[in-house]
Amino acid sequence: EDKVVQSPLSLVVHEGDTVTLNCSYEVTNFRSLLWYKQEKKAPTFLFMLTSSGIEKKSGRLSSILDKKELFSILNITATQTGDSAIYLCAGIQGAQKLVFGQGTRLTINP
Amino acid sequence: DGGITQSPKYLFRKEGQNVTLSCEQNLNHDAMYWYRQDPGQGLRLIYYSQIVNDFQKGDIAEGYSVSREKKESFPLTVTSAQKNPTAFYLCASRSQGGPQHFGDGTRLSIL
Repeated sequence: EDKVVQSPLSLVVHEGDTVTLNCSYEVTNFRSLLWYKQEKKAPTFLFMLTSSGIEKKSGRLSSILDKKELFSILNITATQTGDSAIYLCAGIQGAQKLVFGQGTRLTINP
Repeated sequence: DGGITQSPKYLFRKEGQNVTLSCEQNLNHDAMYWYRQDPGQGLRLIYYSQIVNDFQKGDIAEGYSVSREKKESFPLTVTSAQKNPTAFYLCASRSQGGPQHFGDGTRLSIL
C-alpha cells in the first residue's frame, strides 16, 4: 500500500529557530514529491522535487529529495510567526494521483 | 484572475439528504481532484478526473459521486450513504507535469 509519513506530527519552536520537517514515502511509480503550506484554508504550493540531491530554495525555505533512501526534508531558517501552519508533503504516483502525508503542525512562538 | 472556486464555503446537511459541492476552475487544467481532510489528518483522495467525461475512484469513494461534463467543472455529491460526512472538502486541479493547486475548501457539517 502506498504511504507517505511525516515527522514530527507537531513542533513548537521560538521565533528565529531553524526547523527541519521530514517526509518519507513508499509510492509505486513514484514521479515527484510536493510540499505544501496550509494555514486556514487551501494548501499553497511550496516545492516540487523530481531529481535526487538537488536543493530547491525559496527565501528562508529549502527542500531536498533523496530517491535512494525515499525521503525529503523541508528546512525553514530564521522562523517567523507567519511560518506557523500545517506543512504537507505528497508523493505523485504515476501520471496524476497524489498520496499525502498526515502533515506536520508547526507553531512558532514569539 | 485564474484560480479554483469552491462553493459554498460552509454547508449543512440533514440526515438522509444528498448535497452537492461545487468546484470550478479557469486554469484550463485537464485533471481535477476531490479530497477530504479530517482534523489532525492529511488529505485523502475521494475521486479524480483526468479528462472530460471520465473519472476514477480514489481511496475513499464510498458514499460520494462526481461528474465531469465540462473541463472547468467537477462537482462532488455527498450522498446519504456517506455516514460520516463532516469534514473539510478540498478541490484541486493540475496541468500535465505540474503541481496541484487547491480551492479554498468547503466545510460540511451535519445538522
